[in-house]
Amino acid sequence: DIVMTQSPDSLAVSLGERATIKCKSSQSVLYSSNNKEYLAWYQQRPGQPPKQLIYWASTRESGVPDRFSGSGSGTDFTLTISGLQAEDVAVYYCQQYCTTPFTFGPGTKLDIK
Amino acid sequence: QVQLQESGPGLVKPSETLSLTCTVSDASISDYYWSWLRQPPGKGLEWIGYIHYSGSTSYTPSLKSRVTMSLDTSKNQFSLKVSSVTAADTAVYYCARDGPGTGPWGQGILVTVSS
Repeated sequence: DIVMTQSPDSLAVSLGERATIKCKSSQSVLYSSNNKEYLAWYQQRPGQPPKQLIYWASTRESGVPDRFSGSGSGTDFTLTISGLQAEDVAVYYCQQYCTTPFTFGPGTKLDIK
Repeated sequence: QVQLQESGPGLVKPSETLSLTCTVSDASISDYYWSWLRQPPGKGLEWIGYIHYSGSTSYTPSLKSRVTMSLDTSKNQFSLKVSSVTAADTAVYYCARDGPGTGPWGQGILVTVSS
């Protein structure tokens, strides 16, 4: 199985500032036949189901604010939230969907400082 | 906008079979892959597997011997069965559309395994 790790486990950021969450996979999630990174990011607010924010490592899901951005390649990926807002308080997960079983990182809890 | 809704018993006895159904609205179940995932209370997300209307399935190895997925195109539903459940199977179970990534998700249903 591909093991996903995230850092930090938790972070607190001031309103309007930038939050950065890292995700690392134990092996590449690049599918060579289409040159796409099979990496997604999810937001889970308290008491809610997860919501997909990003797929193909950097493509925003329809309706997701542009303050959310994804980057990275190979085994190292980043989710950046620019201009943090109160509604961004949540746990954020990365997931690889390159190889079954699809696996998630352990999550990063984001709070307001 | 595609909507998914899980349904089924919220309480299952140990050693019995957990059975859940996901009803899909505003999308044809024949057009996508469909997934089941779960989240134990206070813990992270686990992918259980997916199914396609062609009959193709993929299950996570740790559950493969106990999991069966099926779908009913006439009702636009797909289902999950987990046999021989234990307390470790207590979780919120989610259904979701697959590809690329996973989404949208249903609201989830808490299934507790207890006698």
